[in-house]
Amino acid sequence: QLQLQESGPGLVKTSETLSLTCTVSGISVSSSNYYWGWIRQPPGKGLEWIGSIYCSGSTYYNPSLKSRVTISVDTSKNHFSLKLTYVTAADTAVYYCARQLRPAGHFDYWGQGTLVTVSS
Amino acid sequence: EIVMTQSPATLSVSPGERATLSCRASQSVSSNLAWYQQKPGQAPRLLIYGASTRATGIPAKFSGSGSGTEFTLTISSLQSEDFAVYYCQQYNNWPPITFGQGTRLEIK
Repeated sequence: QLQLQESGPGLVKTSETLSLTCTVSGISVSSSNYYWGWIRQPPGKGLEWIGSIYCSGSTYYNPSLKSRVTISVDTSKNHFSLKLTYVTAADTAVYYCARQLRPAGHFDYWGQGTLVTVSS
Repeated sequence: EIVMTQSPATLSVSPGERATLSCRASQSVSSNLAWYQQKPGQAPRLLIYGASTRATGIPAKFSGSGSGTEFTLTISSLQSEDFAVYYCQQYNNWPPITFGQGTRLEIK
């Protein structure tokens, strides 16, 4: 059964780096049929796409976050990761990882999400 | 960047009735549009992709239509579990992928 599970610190200090990992089970992240994406949702607000990665390592980022975001994939561990640098309170959100259909682009499976709070 | 605008922000409908939610794109996205349902404390769930194709396991009460810049999600015979927030998402021209701001469907 396909599962995606986010993990990482729930509290990050202002100006530091947010790091999350999405562990995938039930399918290989090396599958050619999918991208793997990160989406976030500030409390009480809507969804914002952060970026996506293909198993080859090709990455696609939201221009609004591109200067601070790095997404990587580790096929040996079957997981992919997110790093967001120089965080502020505006980065406080529930962070979701999701499987993204290729070449289409919609997200068919999501992790449960993890709340990351940025505070000094 | 393609801006997605959903209307109304909140829709009040009685159980058993039909709800019609709208999503407009700032430029054509062809049929590359998806709809998601999100309940409190849960991740979004894919309902519709390709503007009108139901995702696996989604009942026929959910239907999508439209192409280009105007899209509609229709939910028939509303039941208590259908009251949630609904988002549209375009994937025609990305990056970036963009979502609408959501429509909250509430019980009247």
